[in-house]
Amino acid sequence: NAGVTQTPKFQVLKTGQSMTLQCAQDMNHEYMSWYRQDPGMGLRLIHYSVGAGITDQGEVPNGYNVSRSTTEDFPLRLLSAAPSQTSVYFCASSYADYYEQYFGPGTRLTVT
Amino acid sequence: GDSVTQMEGPVTLSEEAFLTINCTYTATGYPSLFWYVQYPGEGLQLLLKATKADDKGSNKGFEATYRKETTSFHLEKGSVQVSDSAVYFCALRTGNQFYFGTGTSLTVIP
Repeated sequence: NAGVTQTPKFQVLKTGQSMTLQCAQDMNHEYMSWYRQDPGMGLRLIHYSVGAGITDQGEVPNGYNVSRSTTEDFPLRLLSAAPSQTSVYFCASSYADYYEQYFGPGTRLTVT
Repeated sequence: GDSVTQMEGPVTLSEEAFLTINCTYTATGYPSLFWYVQYPGEGLQLLLKATKADDKGSNKGFEATYRKETTSFHLEKGSVQVSDSAVYFCALRTGNQFYFGTGTSLTVIP
C-alpha cells in the first residue's frame, strides 16, 4: 500500500495562475479531505468528500474547487492563485467519516 | 461552532521528563477526540484516539483520557525521549468534519 500520495511536493505559482494539486489513495477509503496548514493556525478544512460524486465545503473553501470522479482520486484546483494561498496543503482519507484519517506528505505551495 | 484549544508552545523538556500538553474542546453532540503527531517535513500521523467519555487512548507511552465533564483530552507521557520531538495536534470529529488545534511544538533535549 502506498497510502495517501500527493503531487507535487513543492510548487511556486505567480498570482493569477491556476493549478491542480493531486491526491490519491489506494486504501479504498470513502472519505477524503483537503486541509491547509498555516503557522499558528493549525489545519483548516478546505473541502471534503464522503464518496465518489459527493463533495462539500469545509471551513475555508473560497478560491478552491474539488471533484471526486473516482474513489481513489481527489484533486484540489486553485482557480486563480493569490499570495494568501501560500501554505502547506495536506490531503487525508479515512474508511468513513467517523474513523481516523490518514494524511499524505503534503504540498508546499508558494504564490508570488 | 466546534473548536479545539490546545496549549501554546513551544515546549522544551529534558529527556525522561514528564510531558503534559493540554487540550480542551467545544462541541455539540458527542465528538470523537484524537491526538496526531507531525515530524519535520511529514504529514500528520494518528497517535491515539478516544470515541466516548471516559475512554483512554494510549500508544507508544502516550495517554489521553476523554473527560466530558471538563471537556478536555490532555496528552501525557511519563518519560519523554529525544525521538518524541515533534508537533502535536489535538483534534475532534463531529458529524463528518474534523477540527484541529493549532499544534504544540515539543523539543526534547538529551
